[in-house]
Amino acid sequence: IQLTQSPSSLSASVGDRVTITCRASQGISSYLAWYQQKPGKAPKLLIYAASTLQSGVPSRFSGSGSGTDFTLTISSLQPEDFATYYCQQLNSYPLYTFGQGTKLEIK
Amino acid sequence: EVQLVESGGGLVQPGGSLRLSCAASGFTFSSYAMSWVRQAPGKGLEWVSAISGSGGSTYYADSVKGRFTISRDNSKNTLYLQMNSLRAEDTAVYYCAKDKLPPPVVATPFDYWGQGTLVTVSS
Repeated sequence: IQLTQSPSSLSASVGDRVTITCRASQGISSYLAWYQQKPGKAPKLLIYAASTLQSGVPSRFSGSGSGTDFTLTISSLQPEDFATYYCQQLNSYPLYTFGQGTKLEIK
Repeated sequence: EVQLVESGGGLVQPGGSLRLSCAASGFTFSSYAMSWVRQAPGKGLEWVSAISGSGGSTYYADSVKGRFTISRDNSKNTLYLQMNSLRAEDTAVYYCAKDKLPPPVVATPFDYWGQGTLVTVSS
């Protein structure tokens, strides 16, 4: 299963609403997770089951979608949100695949 | 507190071997499947291999099948990745990662990751 994220990079300002899209090459129900990764650090789980917020993750992060099309939305960007975001399909457990990543930069 | 600490990375020549370790603490290690995920310099994440909690089931990405072997020692709370016939394209930071939920749940993401260990394959 291939995952395609768009855009590959994005420039935005603090306070902006941002949406990142992840498209699967075949239907994966709601078996999708989102991670945030900052330079030199391990990825951090944000959302799983397409829309369930991981414990401790701020509520400005939200996920939606099912089947082949998914979105990650950050409602009001904070300085600490500038990072790279990856989607991961969980449908073919445990042979997971990740999207290519979306780098979110400060405008 | 859950902790995953990788070790064993380093510089190795093409065709060489290396064994990575991941020491786990803060959870019942034998209850959870574990995975290795790698990230080449400046690139995205690539799932490499997974192993069930008992160690009885193992899974590999096509890119490493036949060259890498995943294993675990539940008495030592340690995960391993034996890497043989290494190639330049195996150069990456290797992370170990824990499944969020134990069996019988499937399709569970990774809720904890180690800090990573760098493997460089070069002559």
